[in-house]
Amino acid sequence: DTAVSQTPKYLVTQMGNDKSIKCEQNLGHDTMYWYKQDSKKFLKIMFSYNNKELIINETVPNRFSPKSPDKAHLNLHINSLELGDSAVYFCASSQGLAGLYEQYFGPGTRLTVT
Amino acid sequence: AQTVTQSQPEMSVQEAETVTLSCTYDTSENNYYLFWYKQPPSRQMILVIRQEAYKQQNATENRFSVNFQKAAKSFSLKISDSQLGDTAMYFCAFRYNNAGNMLTFGGGTRLMVKP
Repeated sequence: DTAVSQTPKYLVTQMGNDKSIKCEQNLGHDTMYWYKQDSKKFLKIMFSYNNKELIINETVPNRFSPKSPDKAHLNLHINSLELGDSAVYFCASSQGLAGLYEQYFGPGTRLTVT
Repeated sequence: AQTVTQSQPEMSVQEAETVTLSCTYDTSENNYYLFWYKQPPSRQMILVIRQEAYKQQNATENRFSVNFQKAAKSFSLKISDSQLGDTAMYFCAFRYNNAGNMLTFGGGTRLMVKP
């Protein structure tokens, strides 16, 4: 059984388009995250949600809008895609906000903007 | 803000030998966690080992162990009896023990295990 799943795994699109990446976790966790891994493999937090509420927004452009319809889902919608948005996007979840809780990562979505 | 530095972009080791990956971090806080994640070519992020800053004893998970030097803010990963399946990117990560619970990653070390 997949703990944290993301769809799609690969996404190729043109500049200016709007796209969404979906994330679902079946672990019963309260907290979910989005991370971005750039072409140099550098990983950086984008958003953190707890019980469907935004906790962290790490200076991400407002073209990125996360949405959490329920605790098990955290989707990422991106408007007006730019070349620099090309990256691998990872969803993750943890039992709660405290530092002791392990984060479980999804398989990643490779976004390519042409 | 905390920073995590991995000074070795690439390393290689012969199968069955031991290799140590370096990681240093910078923080003014006292209560935090440190992690090593493995990212094989499949792209999946896999937790290898973690260390609570308040524990003096170094964490160990089978062939993986850490050398945690809190005063020096150093957190190296030792892989013993390296296996071909250990070939991957390895990321050191830091997390405060507070409500933010965000991971801050180092730049990664690409490890190649050679037969």
